[in-house]
Amino acid sequence: GDSVTQMEGPVTLSEEAFLTINCTYTATGYPSLFWYVQYPGEGLQLLLKATKADDKGSNKGFEATYRKETTSFHLEKGSVQVSDSAVYFCAPRGGTSYGKLTFGQGTILTVHP
Amino acid sequence: DTEVTQTPKHLVMGMTNKKSLKCEQHMGHRAMYWYKQKAKKPPELMFVYSYEKLSINESVPSRFSPECPNSSLLNLHLHALQPEDSALYLCASSQPLQGRGGYTFGSGTRLTVV
Repeated sequence: GDSVTQMEGPVTLSEEAFLTINCTYTATGYPSLFWYVQYPGEGLQLLLKATKADDKGSNKGFEATYRKETTSFHLEKGSVQVSDSAVYFCAPRGGTSYGKLTFGQGTILTVHP
Repeated sequence: DTEVTQTPKHLVMGMTNKKSLKCEQHMGHRAMYWYKQKAKKPPELMFVYSYEKLSINESVPSRFSPECPNSSLLNLHLHALQPEDSALYLCASSQPLQGRGGYTFGSGTRLTVV
């Protein structure tokens, strides 16, 4: 089935710092790619998505580009805020694990004032 | 309506109790899911329903029993649970199972087994 490798955390940053969370995936076929965010005590929210090669997903200042040649979908934000502190999950869907969403291990982000 | 609603938000139950978790969506999604999530871990898939039929059971113990009464509702019946079953239980829905769109998640039920 599909698999995902996410940058290990936890990641600790100061407010206004640049954020990168790396994500690479293994899948045959052509998956859609997603980033989900989980704030403390809450469920998962879809942060952004991309459905084909070179697509850039963006939301709330976060961006990620679907790189088919490197099978990557790295999450970036130019200036993080304390409110971005959460767990971030990279997830492909629709490759080998036909229709199933496959989660990475998650990256815990803490942003200090 | 673009939400998945889960009730209750918190549940404490004894090991001999029977309880149920409920999940509802009105987005017309025809696939619904139950996940279990332990602290600081990714969600683990438990069950998948597609067009109200059980499509995937990820070898979940029989003390967890899912039910899909109609296309909008998903239940998880709990009986004789163990303390290690304490976790956040998430419900999600999506367009048909073979699709490539994202899932919409509920906010979860935090279950404590005592």
